Amino acid sequence: GENVEQHPSTLSVQEGDSAVIKCTYSDSASNYFPWYKQELGKRPQLIIDIRSNVGEKKDQRIAVTLNKTAKHFSLHITETQPEDSAVYFCAAFNQAGTALIFGKGTTLSVSS
Amino acid sequence: GAVVSQHPSRVICKSGTSVKIECRSLDFQATTMFWYRQFPKQSLMLMATSNEGSKATYEQGVEKDKFLINHASLTLSTLTVTSAHPEDSSFYICSARGPTGLLGYTFGSGTRLTVV
Repeated sequence: GENVEQHPSTLSVQEGDSAVIKCTYSDSASNYFPWYKQELGKRPQLIIDIRSNVGEKKDQRIAVTLNKTAKHFSLHITETQPEDSAVYFCAAFNQAGTALIFGKGTTLSVSS
Repeated sequence: GAVVSQHPSRVICKSGTSVKIECRSLDFQATTMFWYRQFPKQSLMLMATSNEGSKATYEQGVEKDKFLINHASLTLSTLTVTSAHPEDSSFYICSARGPTGLLGYTFGSGTRLTVV
């Protein structure tokens, strides 16, 4: 089945710096890659997603890049702010193409 | 749009009892919902896929007789944890695929289950 690997598990940056989180997936048929942000005790919130027919997508300070050949995708956050501190999860579809399988998460800490 | 409501948000139950968790899509019909379990500081682990009008599909290692899923309508899926034990204590969270044309999956607010 689908396997999603996420790195790093923790990431600490200074306010204003950029943060990059990387994920790899195993199923070459996967065609949709979302990123979720989860604050403590709350539900995951979709922050950005990308489909396999594009290589990059941006939304203000957040961008996602996809390399289908290498089967990896990355989340880029620029000009980080303390409120960006949270756990970030990448995901990809399972083999059946129905449910999302999540990476293990990255705890991002932005210090001011 | 695409709001998923989950209840209860917190529940404490005694060992050996059963607990039912509800997941509702409020403004759209969800023929498929998903149940995840999240232990502290860990990822969301898919437990099962809930299909309206048919049996749920369970992931490997998830006991279907212990985690009963019912998806009787297009807007409601329930997860019942039967004969709960302390090791079942976790954060249970459902999700549903958004309305037709949207790939994003929306999550419920989650249920913190504590079995004492």
